[in-house]
Amino acid sequence: NAGVMQNPRHLVRRRGQEARLRCSPMKGHSHVYWYRQLPEEGLKFMVYLQKENIIDESGMPKERFSAEFPKEGPSILRIQQVVRGDSAAYFCASSPGAGRVNTEAFFGQGTRLTVV
Amino acid sequence: AQSVTQLDSQVPVFEEAPVELRCNYSSSVSVYLFWYVQYPNQGLQLLLKYLSGSTLVKGINGFEAEFNKSQTSFHLRKPSVHISDTAEYFCAVRKLQGGSEKLVFGKGTKLTVNP
Repeated sequence: NAGVMQNPRHLVRRRGQEARLRCSPMKGHSHVYWYRQLPEEGLKFMVYLQKENIIDESGMPKERFSAEFPKEGPSILRIQQVVRGDSAAYFCASSPGAGRVNTEAFFGQGTRLTVV
Repeated sequence: AQSVTQLDSQVPVFEEAPVELRCNYSSSVSVYLFWYVQYPNQGLQLLLKYLSGSTLVKGINGFEAEFNKSQTSFHLRKPSVHISDTAEYFCAVRKLQGGSEKLVFGKGTKLTVNP
């Protein structure tokens, strides 16, 4: 059973370009979470999605950032018109379902975005 | 609001010495606590979790943590560390709100084990 798969592992974009980060959850998991880790900081929640639904996007910047988790295929975190401040490690986590006390979220290896 | 404070940003220790990484949380209701480890350029791996029951929780790699409700703490301990334990450690609390849930992380503690 493969773990949470994120790609690419490393992504370099010039200022103004778009960045697309992909996350395939663990088999059987229908809940996906995106977190951002800035240098010398802990992980900050961005968005929580279920298939075809955004449940909580309270951590997403208001502009340029969007996320989706379609019925088929991976979850995508999209950053338009990237700026240097978007440089960070972006982690995806998945779980079987929210509200189940005994479940835990499993994390991917992350995508390290560098904006030049 | 739930939050997590990791009191030490860096902890250097010698190999085979004991270590304690401190974590304090604030939460008004049921508490679900986690410790994760992150090796350089890697993702997060769960070390242990407290959901309910015994306040002493044992995890992988010889780590354990004690949930202390009166002191709102969840400190991570290991009696004898190895060079391979060098990594960053994150304490987190699960926040449940409405139909959403998320992890709220501390800023992390970098553990460096020296020979």
